[in-house]
Amino acid sequence: GAGVSQSPSNKVTEKGKDVELRCDPISGHTALYWYRQSLGQGLEFLIYFQGNSAPDKSGLPSDRFSAERTGGSVSTLTIQRTQQEDSAVYLCASSFLPGQGGTGTYEQYFGPGTRLTVT
Amino acid sequence: AQRVTQPEKLLSVFKGAPVELKCNYSYSGSPELFWYVQYSRQRLQLLLRHISRESIKGFTADLNKGETSFHLKKPFAQEEDSAMYYCALRRGGTYKYIFGTGTRLKVLA
Repeated sequence: GAGVSQSPSNKVTEKGKDVELRCDPISGHTALYWYRQSLGQGLEFLIYFQGNSAPDKSGLPSDRFSAERTGGSVSTLTIQRTQQEDSAVYLCASSFLPGQGGTGTYEQYFGPGTRLTVT
Repeated sequence: AQRVTQPEKLLSVFKGAPVELKCNYSYSGSPELFWYVQYSRQRLQLLLRHISRESIKGFTADLNKGETSFHLKKPFAQEEDSAMYYCALRRGGTYKYIFGTGTRLKVLA
């Protein structure tokens, strides 16, 4: 079956513009995660969804960042008034929740990422 | 605060040599530890988790709570092991993962 998909694969935007990044998780996965991968910084947790709700938004860097998930499926990460420090690869992952798919099957499956460049 | 530390950004070994990728964590509760791997031009994927106590592609990792470490080991490195490796911690009772900064492993012929 299809894995996690993300669009666009690459996005170049001017400083100050808004961008929307999209994630299509694996069908049936209840949990959805967003990460930011910057050079030398590893993976930085941004937010995760359990269904349509986001119990933990603590990783969002500022109020310019927001995310939503509708229908328990597609998620959108929005960055308003982009800054150059927002340049990074944004990764999405999805998984079952423990107990949902059987013991230990809450492995995260990652998408290919969106490379965002703010000029 | 919870933290995962991978002290080596780059580790180069010769084919057939043993390899150990270091991971230390700080967390007061009972964590779950994972190793993820990203091969060139491929997606990040799970390599192994400590609760499974399994060997994947010849790699093993033992959780040492006394030393708060979860080092990844393989007795004989192969060229196809060259990749970026991330250690990750999942806080008990949550679905938040904390990743280390990663170690790039280069296995030389």
